[in-house]
Amino acid sequence: EVQLLESGGGLVQPGGSLRLSCAASGFTFSSYAMSWVRQAPGEGLAWVSSISSSGGSTYYADSVKGRFTSSRDNSKNTLYLQMNSLRAEDTAVYYCAKTPTIAILVGNWFDSWGQGTLVTVSS
Amino acid sequence: QSVLTQPPSVSGAPGQRVTISCAGSSSNIGAGYDVHWYQQLPGTAPKLLIYGNINRPSGVPDRFSGSKSGTSVSLAITGLQAEDEADYYCQSYDSRLTGWVFGGGTKLTVL
Repeated sequence: EVQLLESGGGLVQPGGSLRLSCAASGFTFSSYAMSWVRQAPGEGLAWVSSISSSGGSTYYADSVKGRFTSSRDNSKNTLYLQMNSLRAEDTAVYYCAKTPTIAILVGNWFDSWGQGTLVTVSS
Repeated sequence: QSVLTQPPSVSGAPGQRVTISCAGSSSNIGAGYDVHWYQQLPGTAPKLLIYGNINRPSGVPDRFSGSKSGTSVSLAITGLQAEDEADYYCQSYDSRLTGWVFGGGTKLTVL
């Protein structure tokens, strides 16, 4: 059974930084692209970033480009999201999600999701 | 405002059939990109419901079905059950934004 467990969320001041982690199990982590999707309180889903299975390719939503960095450690079966220069509008539950392919493809979907970790940006 | 447009809410009585539409534009659904659907039960993470427009992952009841005709995409739920009460989201790719996009979500109420 695929399991994804996010951690690292919390309260941070505007302009601050936070690193989220997503520990994966139940599948061959190094064989699948992974993504981050967020959901602001009471709002819908928004794609944040995707990373290929090797980590060699990354993509970001315009709203986080230049501030967020996705990475992965396939030896530890762990996905990361480094978030810098945080803004109030980054407040959301952040989900890590597995995609069904090695590469990042335009037709990708998110076939397994973690339970999410809440990031609150406030002074 | 979401790139993909869904009705904010739909409702139906137990046993009835409901449909949820997802409208896009020439840079996403109209460009031929596949649409996928997710169910989010209250207080839980989203769950994949339909992928590649019409395909159900294993374990998803056949009461749920997806369709795509041209630029028209929809999710149908037949034999409504109380446990179907949830938020439903469509998702696709947008070539103008060069990223993956979601609809704003539709809240299904089982009367």
